Amino acid sequence: DADVTQTPRNRITKTGKRIMLECSQTKGHDRMYWYRQDPGLGLRLIYYSFDVKDINKGEISDGYSVSRQAQAKFSLSLESAIPNQTALYFCATSEAGPSSGNTIYFGEGSWLTVV
Amino acid sequence: QKEVEQNSGPLSVPEGAIASLNCTYSDRGSQSFFWYRQYSGKSPELIMFIYSNGDKEDGRFTAQLNKASQYVSLLIRDSQPSDSATYLCAVTDLMDSSYKLIFGSGTRLLVRP
Repeated sequence: DADVTQTPRNRITKTGKRIMLECSQTKGHDRMYWYRQDPGLGLRLIYYSFDVKDINKGEISDGYSVSRQAQAKFSLSLESAIPNQTALYFCATSEAGPSSGNTIYFGEGSWLTVV
Repeated sequence: QKEVEQNSGPLSVPEGAIASLNCTYSDRGSQSFFWYRQYSGKSPELIMFIYSNGDKEDGRFTAQLNKASQYVSLLIRDSQPSDSATYLCAVTDLMDSSYKLIFGSGTRLLVRP
């Protein structure tokens, strides 16, 4: 089983609908992240959380919200989905900051299509 | 706005050759540098990281860092078809307590049998 699990793996939704992407991890890491990947644009950070009571905006947080329900769970919500939010979304975890050499571990990704 | 630039490729090399992947970054404060490999439709996985100027070797992979030129590269020796993937460069800034990784858009490598 994957250490960082994302659900759903694929979702097609309509414009204006609310959609939640869920992430759970068994690595025991405090830090969790949500990234978005678009062709030609690389990975961009949406939100990150260093512990259950800590939530921080990343580069592109507009239109998204997150919830850290527990150390192991970090969900991403699109309150009113729009087509330009069509992308591949990755949840990730790390034991400490990546600058310390600790690896960021990515989930398998969630393909979201907004029509 | 911190930026990380990579040539999108594809970089095509024959099997057994050395593949050289390059990355430049805009923020002189960047102190930690990472190379990730991503197969199509899969999640990125860390290959190696480097902090100090010079070379760092791990098996067939060598990372090279030149902070004065704001340049980091990844060399893959004895390239194999299984190395065909997109390689993402990422940097972070120790002075930024959020330790956010800034990713380049990646270079696609194709190793021809």
